[in-house]
Amino acid sequence: DQQVKQNSPSLSVQEGRISILNCDYTNSMFDYFLWYKKYPAEGPTFLISISSIKDKNEDGRFTVFLNKSAKHLSLHIVPSQPGDSAVYFCAASEGSGGYQKVTFGTGTKLQVIP
Amino acid sequence: DTGVSQNPRHKITKRGQNVTFRCDPISEHNRLYWYRQTLGQGPEFLTYFQNEAQLEKSRLLSDRFSAERPKGSFSTLEIQRTEQGDSAMYLCASSLGDPFGYTFGSGTRLTVV
Repeated sequence: DQQVKQNSPSLSVQEGRISILNCDYTNSMFDYFLWYKKYPAEGPTFLISISSIKDKNEDGRFTVFLNKSAKHLSLHIVPSQPGDSAVYFCAASEGSGGYQKVTFGTGTKLQVIP
Repeated sequence: DTGVSQNPRHKITKRGQNVTFRCDPISEHNRLYWYRQTLGQGPEFLTYFQNEAQLEKSRLLSDRFSAERPKGSFSTLEIQRTEQGDSAMYLCASSLGDPFGYTFGSGTRLTVV
């Protein structure tokens, strides 16, 4: 049962343009959503998060939008840079036994073309 | 170095052998997690420690897998009688509090031949 889905395995964007990565989820108990970025041969690194009580969170070039009614979130990167080329994982967390249990999506490989 | 350290980076083993991986979390982080990632998939939760207590184990963690975190510091993940299906990247992460972002190590890539 894939509770967090990233339906686009890959995305190519021209440098300077906007990158939009999408994520859908099924579990209405998720209360935080996170995006991680992963380069080859490295572990994922935390990028940005959003609480379920908000619909937007911005950090520099990165903005995450949450649409709870549609159970959908997206990550916008503006402007995209070649160094943004990586695999992006959407993740969602819910309280479980005293901690936040995090479930990851399958990832979207972003390629930013110079 | 204040990051999460995992050793070894790569491990090739023959089917049926036992392997052990080590994770050194960020020193002030009391929470430690093990995840497994296979090709084309996101990280899948295996187990969680708060200090030295193992508080949750995934059903993915069969009885051939065991994890420890003695004294709430480093952690080890042991796989006994390895199978080819165990081939994956094993990721360790630590955090100080939830839910804002784990710090992951670079992982241990296991290949069972």
